[in-house]
Amino acid sequence: KAGVTQTPRYLIKTRGQQVTLSCSPISGHRSVSWYQQTPGQGLQFLFEYFSETQRNKGNFPGRFSGRQFSNSRSEMNVSTLELGDSALYLCASSLVGSGRLTDTQYFGPGTRLTVL
Amino acid sequence: DAKTTQPTSMDCAEGRAANLPCNHSTISGNEYVYWYRQIHSQGPQYIIHGLKNNETNEMASLIITEDRKSSTLILPHATLRDTAVYYCIVRVQGNTPLVFGKGTRLSVIA
Repeated sequence: KAGVTQTPRYLIKTRGQQVTLSCSPISGHRSVSWYQQTPGQGLQFLFEYFSETQRNKGNFPGRFSGRQFSNSRSEMNVSTLELGDSALYLCASSLVGSGRLTDTQYFGPGTRLTVL
Repeated sequence: DAKTTQPTSMDCAEGRAANLPCNHSTISGNEYVYWYRQIHSQGPQYIIHGLKNNETNEMASLIITEDRKSSTLILPHATLRDTAVYYCIVRVQGNTPLVFGKGTRLSVIA
């Protein structure tokens, strides 16, 4: 079974631009979560989607948004990019997500975003 | 905030067992302990999880103390490819996401 895929793998943008990242979950998985990883803050939770609905949201400004499609694929968008948005953005999928403690999340390889 | 405490770094000789400790003294009765690892600049990789019994899979063993306040992840024969940051996470109930702490940086030395 194929793993979680993320596109693009690398991205360079300039301040003020907006970016859209894509995540395809493992087949059959209905929950997708997004995380941001920076050297200073570590891995931080952005949001979780389940069945096209946002179930959880982390402490990030409204410039960060996401959505999930009926086939469980998910996208996240960052508008008005800032230098501090440079990070590794990770997507994780699971069968049903945070609602079940034994539901394991599997991570994709990430998208490395550099904001200049 | 993470509910776990882990050493910042550890070294292990190649071929020897790597024992990574984790304290989770405030864990509740039905909360699970999960372990992930992250090799440099890759996505975290799931290793193992457990509730109160010891668990073993093809990657590692997880030993949870009887009072559940701490656990140890054991890699039985560490290789250079096991060099990574290892995260111990308590899965909290109530539709909450995984909370990653700083983890333990394991260096396997030839």
